[in-house]
Amino acid sequence: QVQLQESGPGLVKPSEALSLTCTVSGGSLSTFYWTWIRQPPGKGLECIGYIYYSGSTNYNPSLKSRVTISVDTSKNQFYLRLNSMTPADTAVYYCARGSAGFDPWGQGIPVTVSS
Amino acid sequence: EILLTQSPATLSLSPGERATLSCRASQSIATFLAWYQQKPGQAPRLLIYDVSHRATGIPPRFSGSGSGTDFSLTISSLEPEDFAVYYCQQRSNWPLTFGGGTKVEIK
Repeated sequence: QVQLQESGPGLVKPSEALSLTCTVSGGSLSTFYWTWIRQPPGKGLECIGYIYYSGSTNYNPSLKSRVTISVDTSKNQFYLRLNSMTPADTAVYYCARGSAGFDPWGQGIPVTVSS
Repeated sequence: EILLTQSPATLSLSPGERATLSCRASQSIATFLAWYQQKPGQAPRLLIYDVSHRATGIPPRFSGSGSGTDFSLTISSLEPEDFAVYYCQQRSNWPLTFGGGTKVEIK
């Protein structure tokens, strides 16, 4: 059974970059697409972007200038880097496996942007 | 960007009742629609993909229908564990987008 787990800092200062890791266990990154999704407090869900196992990526246009998603298949991990963080980026960040739907999801990691 | 509008925002029902949730797309998304359930403090869980296909382990009381721009999720008889927020999501166009959610609460 595939499981995903996010890791990274819970607090980021304004203007700094956020770096998150998603570790995939119980399966390989060699198929599907691997996605980052976020949810601001009390709000809905936003797809940040995804990476295929081949390394090709697609980013939400609203974040494209600040986002990089990468993958390390040897470690069964994929990564999110979001530059120039502002308080509006405060959210729970999820990683998920994408196919016809997002399944499974990681438990999510809350990230607060504050000085 | 495709906008998904969910209605109603809140649905107040009793256990055992039937729930019908709506999701309308701003343009046709064929059958590329999924539904998720989210409980407080938890990640969303995939219920339905491609309009009507139940994900692994999802009970048959959950069903989906629709095509084009109008979709619905039906819970035939609400169980206590079904009270949650439900989101629809399209994968027809990038960026993939979610609806704003429908909260199903206990009446």
